[in-house]
Order: sequence, then structure tokens, then C-alpha cells
Amino acid sequence: QKEVEQNSGPLSVPEGAIASLNCTYSDRGSQSFFWYRQYSGKSPELIMFIYSNGDKEDGRFTAQLNKASQYVSLLIRDSQPSDSATYLCAVNALRISSGSARQLTFGSGTQLTVLP
Amino acid sequence: GAVVSQHPSRVICKSGTSVKIECRSLDFQATTMFWYRQFPKQSLMLMATSNEGSKATYEQGVEKDKFLINHASLTLSTLTVTSAHPEDSSFYICSTSPGSLQETQYFGPGTRLLVL
Repeated sequence: QKEVEQNSGPLSVPEGAIASLNCTYSDRGSQSFFWYRQYSGKSPELIMFIYSNGDKEDGRFTAQLNKASQYVSLLIRDSQPSDSATYLCAVNALRISSGSARQLTFGSGTQLTVLP
Repeated sequence: GAVVSQHPSRVICKSGTSVKIECRSLDFQATTMFWYRQFPKQSLMLMATSNEGSKATYEQGVEKDKFLINHASLTLSTLTVTSAHPEDSSFYICSTSPGSLQETQYFGPGTRLLVL
């Protein structure tokens, strides 16, 4: 079983709709959860992070975390064609690097297409 | 978010040559930097964790003698692909994290390597 799982998609939604992206993780000890957006040919950029159960909103984006069910989701309201990208879910790893920062485990990403 | 730069953005080289990629943290001191590789249509693969002033920690299956990492200062880490071969052609991305209490990773723009 993969440590972080995402539906690879592609997920297509019409412009203006809500896009829902889901992610499950296997390590119950995970504490930090991140969503990154990656446009084709570019590096990932951070959209949101969430640490506590519940919802966290930032503009059109809402991250939802349910530690009991081990899933984290990202909702994109009023989807725009510019939101078309691959969305990566990342979870902090059990292993602690020898430095001060802990490693993240990434899912394989969900490809989102917003149709005009 | 944090600003991370990489240089060069794109490099084409002949098989057998070595290529050095620089990763700079521009607005905070990064004790730890991470190096990833991404093949087309695939997710990020962590190659190694680079720690300032100490040896890098490599992931299983990554040859430390082929991918030399130097993290000589708190703002600069370098990855050298030695004796590059066509199968090393990939998108190499570094990331940094501001500190031990925050695991958010910020990615550089990436370096696209093509080995002929």
C-alpha cells in the first residue's frame, strides 16, 4: 500500500464548478498535510497546509482534514481554466531527516482540467 | 512563500560529462535542502536530503557517488550529476524548509537535464 494515495484522474470540471481532490495516507502519526499545485513543465508551488482536523479556507481553496479517517481533501470553488494542473498531496514522513526539517511524502498527483 | 532559485534552468550535455546544479535559498537560511527528480508523467521522487555542514542522506537506490551533493553554506546546495548518461535525463528540483517547527517545503523552479 502506498503511503499517500491520490486518484490520478484526470478530473474534469466545468468552469465555475467546485473541484474536489482527495488524498488518503497510511501513517496515523502524520501531523502535517500539504497541497501543492504543479503546472506542466514547472515545479510544485504550495497552495495550502493544514495541521488540525476540520476545514481551512484560503480564498477559493479549502483544505479539509480528517485524521480519524486518514484523509485530506482540497476543494476549489469557482474553478477557473487557470486551475488546470496536477495537484500533489504531501504528508510529513515518519522518518526525521538528520537536519532540522522533516521529509514529506508525496502522492502521485491528481490531474485537474477545468473546461471553459 | 519563500524564494528558492536554481541554476541552470535547462542544460543539455553529452553522455559522460558532469553537470552541476545549484540551489539557493534567497530569503532564509536553510539548514536542510531536499533534492527531487521527476520523470515525465510521474510524481516527485526524493533523491537525497542535504544538510549544511554534514554529509547528505540518500534515499534507497540513489547512488551517492553518482549524485554528489554539497551543502557548504546555509543558502546554497549543489547537486552534481557525474558521468551523466541518457537515463539521467530528468527534471531535478530542490526544495528548502524554513525551520524545524515548520515542515513546509518551498520548491525551486527546477532544472531540466537532457543527456545526449
